Amino acid sequence: QVQLQESGPGLVKPSQTLSLTCTVSGGSISSGSYYWSWIRQPAGKGLEWIGRIYTSGRTNYNPSLKSRVTISVDTSKNQFSLQLSSVTAADTAVYYCARANPGGDYYYYYMDVWGKGTTVTVSS
Amino acid sequence: QSALTQPASVSGSPGQSITIPCTGTSSDVGGYNCVSWYQQHPGKAPKVMIYDVSNRPSGVSYRFSGSKSGNTASLTISGLQAEDEADYYCSSYTSSSTVVFGGGTKLTVL
Repeated sequence: QVQLQESGPGLVKPSQTLSLTCTVSGGSISSGSYYWSWIRQPAGKGLEWIGRIYTSGRTNYNPSLKSRVTISVDTSKNQFSLQLSSVTAADTAVYYCARANPGGDYYYYYMDVWGKGTTVTVSS
Repeated sequence: QSALTQPASVSGSPGQSITIPCTGTSSDVGGYNCVSWYQQHPGKAPKVMIYDVSNRPSGVSYRFSGSKSGNTASLTISGLQAEDEADYYCSSYTSSSTVVFGGGTKLTVL
């Protein structure tokens, strides 16, 4: 049973870079046909898709965040990571990592395994 | 990309059926059979309930069903139970190779 666990600082200063890592256990990040995704949720608000990465390194990002986001993968550590630069209070949220399943048409869009989420607060 | 449109809240009594609509455009919901629905209880991670418009993952109750007509997808929950009270989010693949979520719907079981 694949499990995901987010880790990283819970507090980031404004204008700095938010960095989170998702560790995949119970299976290899390179096995199977999946994309690996990041999603966030501000307190009391809805889900926002941040982006995804395939183990080849191919990425797709939310256009509204694209200029500030980098998602990378380290297959040797069975991890993938999120970096969000120039953060502001608006980036305060629970951040989830998730596995994106291909679906019948192989668009790798629905998340079938999620981490528990980690809260990141942007404040000085 | 604009969020998909969902009602902020819906409610129903135990045993009844409710439907949650999710409206997008021809660039997302209407253009692909790639709509999924998630259930989220307070303080928990979302759980996928429907994928590919109408497919249920293993372990999800048959009371949950999905459909789509044009640019609008729908989630129907039949035989409402107290445990169904949660937030529900629709999601779709988009023509920009991204994923977009709906704003979420709070389901209250009366």
